[in-house]
Amino acid sequence: RKEVEQDPGPFNVPEGATVAFNCTYSNSASQSFFWYRQDCRKEPKLLMSVYSSGNEDGRFTAQLNRASQYISLLIRDSKLSDSATYLCVVNIYNYGQNFVFGPGTRLSVLP
Amino acid sequence: NAGVTQTPKFQVLKTGQSMTLQCAQDMNHEYMSWYRQDPGMGLRLIHYSVGAGITDQGEVPNGYNVSRSTTEDFPLRLLSAAPSQTSVYFCASSSQGNSPLHFGNGTRLTVT
Repeated sequence: RKEVEQDPGPFNVPEGATVAFNCTYSNSASQSFFWYRQDCRKEPKLLMSVYSSGNEDGRFTAQLNRASQYISLLIRDSKLSDSATYLCVVNIYNYGQNFVFGPGTRLSVLP
Repeated sequence: NAGVTQTPKFQVLKTGQSMTLQCAQDMNHEYMSWYRQDPGMGLRLIHYSVGAGITDQGEVPNGYNVSRSTTEDFPLRLLSAAPSQTSVYFCASSSQGNSPLHFGNGTRLTVT
């Protein structure tokens, strides 16, 4: 079983749609959690950190369920500019950083 | 706001040549790392460092060397380039604790 798994995708959605991405992680010692977006041939960019209480940043909402070892990202009112690959990243911090990346889920928002 | 700076952006090498990919960060981050990303694949960790003078191997270290003489710089050396090392290379840094990774813009390397 991979340490971090994500919805295989791709997701093709119309503008204005709500889309949800799911991510599961296998190591219960994982300490911190992040969503990144990566545009084609560009570097990953931090979208948001994920906190235990859940957090929201504009149209984006992230949730963490430590008991189920599950992370989600909800995008409301999708824009064309949201088209990218979304990476779930877990830090299994153990006397030092240990970032584990999911394979990514590709999103295409269609006009 | 320089953040993480990688040079060069593009490089073409012939098989057997050596070169150094440069990475510098100005955020006083202790942790620095190098990843490679091949088409349609995820990021794979090559080497990482938790502070000046300390380096360790990641998932795919063969054919690469690193050093960390200062907090700011973490160069990646290709000893004898091979076509299998054609890839996009990303340098990333982080402070300790529950901090995210910050990535450089990447270096696109082609080995012919």
